[in-house]
Amino acid sequence: NIVMTQSPKSMSISVGDRVTMNCKASQNVGNNIAWYQQKPGQSPKLLIYYASNRYTGVPDRFTGGGYGTDFTLTINSVQAEDAAFYYCQRIYNSWTFGGGTKLELK
Amino acid sequence: QVQLKETGPGLVQPTQTLSITCTVSGFSLTSYYMQWVRQTPGKGLEWMGFIRSGGSTEYNSEFKSRLSISRDTSKNQVFLKMNSLKTEDTGVYYCARESRTGSFDYWGQGVMVTVSS
Repeated sequence: NIVMTQSPKSMSISVGDRVTMNCKASQNVGNNIAWYQQKPGQSPKLLIYYASNRYTGVPDRFTGGGYGTDFTLTINSVQAEDAAFYYCQRIYNSWTFGGGTKLELK
Repeated sequence: QVQLKETGPGLVQPTQTLSITCTVSGFSLTSYYMQWVRQTPGKGLEWMGFIRSGGSTEYNSEFKSRLSISRDTSKNQVFLKMNSLKTEDTGVYYCARESRTGSFDYWGQGVMVTVSS
């Protein structure tokens, strides 16, 4: 079974900073990766599909990248409302999630 | 607009069976795959299984022996049943729609399930 490992587990960032979080697959998954944002008490929200495609309505400060086993989610000019957990997910065959990265604002 | 809503018991005793209903609107169950995901304190987000637009199912091997997913298209409902519950099954259970790109574009609000005697 594929394992998705996210790093770091948490990060504390100031508004306006740029942040990059990582997701590593234990096997080659091509571009079959999605990213989600989850705020406390809410269900996950789709941000990125096929590794680098922004979902409808997602601000362009969110950028996904990577292929194969290593993936990134970058947020340019972080806003206060971006404080949340972020999860990567391998899609197709088994929809395995990573353990998440918690983004806190200083 | 697309909406999904889970309803379930809230509290289930160990060894008993969990039944959750996901009621959808704004799209047809015969056009989309429907997924089930849970979020537990111990394991985070876990994919559980899905039902295809044609009605066949696939399950995560972690749950395969005790999980069943079904649907009633006339009522726009998808059902999750899981037996032999344990305390570590405590968590929030979500239904989600799988988009054409394999990602989950719409989620229900989730239903909190506590397994306790």
